Order: sequence, then C-alpha cells, then structure tokens
Amino acid sequence: GAVVSQHPSWVICKSGTSVKIECRSLDFQATTMFWYRQFPKQSLMLMATSNEGSKATYEQGVEKDKFLINHASLTLSTLTVTSAHPEDSSFYICSARKGFREQYFGPGTRLTVT
Amino acid sequence: GNSVTQMEGPVTLSEEAFLTINCTYTATGYPSLFWYVQYPGEGLQLLLKATKADDKGSNKGFEATYRKETTSFHLEKGSVQVSDSAVYFCALTPVAQKLVFGQGTRLTINP
Repeated sequence: GAVVSQHPSWVICKSGTSVKIECRSLDFQATTMFWYRQFPKQSLMLMATSNEGSKATYEQGVEKDKFLINHASLTLSTLTVTSAHPEDSSFYICSARKGFREQYFGPGTRLTVT
Repeated sequence: GNSVTQMEGPVTLSEEAFLTINCTYTATGYPSLFWYVQYPGEGLQLLLKATKADDKGSNKGFEATYRKETTSFHLEKGSVQVSDSAVYFCALTPVAQKLVFGQGTRLTINP
C-alpha cells in the first residue's frame, strides 16, 4: 500500500499564532513531498516541494517565511504557518511521491484562523 | 509546457447512468496520466493511472485509456452509483516532476 497521514485533521487557532501540520508516509519512504492549498470548490494549488535533507522549493507567490517547510526524514515533512491570519484559513493537503511518478495524498488539514 | 484540461462541471446524472468525464492534455515527452477522486472534506485518492500510450487504467468500475494520438485520458464508468458523487481530477506528471492537475469536475449522482 501507500498511505499518507496528516496531523491534525483540523485546527483552529488565534490570529498571530503559529500552527504546525505534519505529513507522514506510513509504509514507504518518500524523498519528495509536496504541500498544496485548496480553496473551496477549486483545484489544488502547489505551494512547495519538499526534499529530504534540503531546503524546500517554493512556488512563485508563496511566502517562504510564512510557510516554513521542514523535511527532516524520509517519512516526515512539516508545514508551519507562522503568525497566522484569517486569510491563511484553508484546506492544506500534503502528498508524498513513491518512485518517480506516483503521488499519494494525505487526508488534508483544515485550518481556521480566528 | 504541461497542462491538463478537463470537462467543465458540475455534472449531474441519475443512478445507473453512463459516465464520461473528458480530459485532454499537453505535455512534452511521455508523461504518466492519473485520475484522482476527492470526496467532501477529504484529501485526494488515486483512482487509476496509465503510464504509456494505449495503457488502460481501471479501478472500481472506472476506466480510462491513454490515447497519445488524441492526447486524451477520458474517464468512463458504465453505471454510476450515488456513492460516486465526488470531485474528479485528471493529472499528469513527467518523470520525477510535479503533478499538473486539471481544474476538477464535480459529479453528483441522484438516486
């Protein structure tokens, strides 16, 4: 199988605080993980590509200082939303690449900033 | 560049109807093609895939054939169920590169 988990599945935080989201590949090693953001009724927007042991590559327009990504091991990547604001409220989804082509997605994390 | 164009939704069908969701692509080289499904409030699940021309991917009654001559990967199912209601994404990836998604097609099946 190829299972990817995310934690937490939902989180509510106050404006100005930071939130960390974990993405784990449970039964395979992933040298590359991806972080996406999805707005209601829209497709996924790639935020960044995370490679184990190196700095993440951010897509154009994504603030790297706001969305901190760490890929500490072959099974774990984390996304930290720093100094969160209401406009950061969204559905965040990670994926892990198995082999050279297939990506498996986590169940998503719904972030609400009040 | 690489791109995917999906049939615009939403699509509404009655149970047991035949389903087709069109997907065409533009790509350099020989990408792999995928269909993902997203149920409300969840992440994406890989539904089926095809890695080379004329391959047919199939799963849970859904099928799609990699047509290089028409650059298409249309999703079909012979008899849909209410439980198939979801958003379907067509996607492609060249080797070791990012997934490129279509815009998604929302499917609603009425009993």
